[in-house]
Amino acid sequence: QQQVKQSPQSLIVQKGGISIINCAYENTAFDYFPWYQQFPGKGPALLIAIRPDVSEKKEGRFTISFNKSAKQFSLHIMDSQPGDSATYFCAASPWSGATNKLIFGTGTLLAVQP
Amino acid sequence: EAGVTQSPTHLIKTRGQQATLRCSPISGHTSVYWYQQALGLGLQFLLWYDEGEERNRGNFPPRFSGRQFPNYSSELNVNALELEDSALYLCASSPDLRGARYEQYFGPGTRLTVT
Repeated sequence: QQQVKQSPQSLIVQKGGISIINCAYENTAFDYFPWYQQFPGKGPALLIAIRPDVSEKKEGRFTISFNKSAKQFSLHIMDSQPGDSATYFCAASPWSGATNKLIFGTGTLLAVQP
Repeated sequence: EAGVTQSPTHLIKTRGQQATLRCSPISGHTSVYWYQQALGLGLQFLLWYDEGEERNRGNFPPRFSGRQFPNYSSELNVNALELEDSALYLCASSPDLRGARYEQYFGPGTRLTVT
């Protein structure tokens, strides 16, 4: 119940294309869903996050779509660029005064070809 | 604004030794989190400190411990090192519980190698 399942494991997209990464969860107590971007040798960087009271959030070329009934959320990267090549992690966190931990998906290695 | 800083960048230890990793949060952040990123295992939550107290720990043995200092910096100690402790250890910080408590910002990590 604590898992966040992420797919695909790896993704190759042409420059200018749309990259789509999907995540699914079981625990209905999760109420915060961030996406992180990690370059080799660096720590994860917070990209964008969503709460379950909205179905979509957009920041620049990055969009999160959230389907509460299906317990799924996805990251869309529009006009993908070679500089977007990195590993992307989805995560989820439950609302609780006892814990503030992030539970991460297994990551998606994105390669954007020029 | 300076981000989360961690030291050292790399640490090489022998099995059975102890390792100490350090983290300084973003100025104004009171919560510090530790995560382990091991090859093939993804990012696993280790510990959460807030206002000097350990608030929550992940599914790790007691030889993983830490503390948070009055200036909100934190230290992670790993005793009796095992080969499988080799990983990137990431520290994150977030604003206090009354603010945007969920946004966690990560440091660059400490690469621990146990030989």
